[in-house]
Amino acid sequence: QVQLMQSGAEVREPGASVRVSCKTSGYTFTDHYLHWVRQAPGQRLEWLGWINPNTGFSNHAQNFEHRVTLTRDMSINTAYMELTGLTSDDSAVYYCARGSGSYHFWGQGTLVTVSS
Amino acid sequence: DIQMDQSPSTLSASVGDRVTITCRASQSISSWLAWYQQKPGKAPKLLIYKASNLESGVPSGFSGSGSGTEFTLTINSLRPDDFATYYCQQYSTSPFTFGGGTKVEIK
Repeated sequence: QVQLMQSGAEVREPGASVRVSCKTSGYTFTDHYLHWVRQAPGQRLEWLGWINPNTGFSNHAQNFEHRVTLTRDMSINTAYMELTGLTSDDSAVYYCARGSGSYHFWGQGTLVTVSS
Repeated sequence: DIQMDQSPSTLSASVGDRVTITCRASQSISSWLAWYQQKPGKAPKLLIYKASNLESGVPSGFSGSGSGTEFTLTINSLRPDDFATYYCQQYSTSPFTFGGGTKVEIK
């Protein structure tokens, strides 16, 4: 069955960077785009961007244009989201999700806490 | 960016009630709309895609309708498992955006 397994919770200081991984299984990795979505406490879901695992091409929300990098490693069916220049506003649960717009499969989420 | 406005933000209802949640887009998104259910501490779960298509495995009591800028999610007869928060999402135009959520709570 399709599974998206994310890396564990992270704590970072302001100004630092974080990388979250999303290991996929149960389907052909290169057949489906992967998106990243986050949810800050009490806030609505916020889309960060997507990556085409086949080509490595990615697209990001303009809000994160210079801070987010989406990559993948086809040899281990894993996608990564790196966010730099962290502030307290980046404290959130980060999700990877499979789909081309609507998300039929989600990772379990990774809590990122930014605190000094 | 396309703004998605959901109403109501909170809805109190009883088991067996029929409930309707509305989502309005700030511009036309055709039928590129999804509905999700989220429970505390869990990832969202897809219920409806392309405005009215029921996701596999989702009970038939859920239905979606609408196109353009106005959409509704209807739960035909609330079950205990349906008390959760519901979000709409447009995927017509990047950045994909979500509504603010509707919490369905027990009356």
